[in-house]
Amino acid sequence: QSVLTQPPSASGTPGQRVTISCSGSSSNIGSNTVNWYQQLPGTAPKLLIYSNNQRPSGVPDRFSGSKSGTSASLAISGLQSEDEADYYCASWDDRLNGAVFGTGTKVTVL
Amino acid sequence: EVQVLESGGGVVQPGGSLRLSCAASGFTFSNYAMSWVRQAPGKGLEWVSSISGRGGGTYYADSVKGRFTISRDNSKNTLFLQMNSLRAEDTAVYYCAKDTTLGSSARFDYWGQGTLVTVSS
Repeated sequence: QSVLTQPPSASGTPGQRVTISCSGSSSNIGSNTVNWYQQLPGTAPKLLIYSNNQRPSGVPDRFSGSKSGTSASLAISGLQSEDEADYYCASWDDRLNGAVFGTGTKVTVL
Repeated sequence: EVQVLESGGGVVQPGGSLRLSCAASGFTFSNYAMSWVRQAPGKGLEWVSSISGRGGGTYYADSVKGRFTISRDNSKNTLFLQMNSLRAEDTAVYYCAKDTTLGSSARFDYWGQGTLVTVSS
């Protein structure tokens, strides 16, 4: 059972902006940073955003992250067909003393 | 180039055991925590276990605590996951993931391709 809650799906047409939410609690997002992962079909996850809003080298600036209180969000601007994937948020949970992932959001490009 | 490569997956009967390995290269292995993350067929990601860079700190998900043991051999740049008392619900692709710090976090910058574990009679 995932501790972090995400909407199961999101969609948009090419060029649109899509936002994915991630809801947690004081023991995880409320006291630790949030990371986001992109999982393309049939592949391993890839780190997309770390420390709430930082992009690893090579990640397009179309992807951005933010955090407020016990929630976080990932925004994809200028949506492209290659962005069609599953997206997961993750954080450390001080109460569980372990990492926790979100339920995952499937992004579809219409 | 950083690489992590899992091995050891396969089919095992309920109650059986399996040992996964993850060979790492391209970075100073002992400077980074390592983790196992699994994904059941058609399901989301589930963190399984983490170990600090020096091996002194280990962490487990409640779902595997007491059954799985994570360890590492820094002299051989290898991570392990000993899985005992396996259940059908342990069936998943198991990913090895490199953390970005010495201590454990939820920030994994390199992942292996995964190894499939199937628990079935």
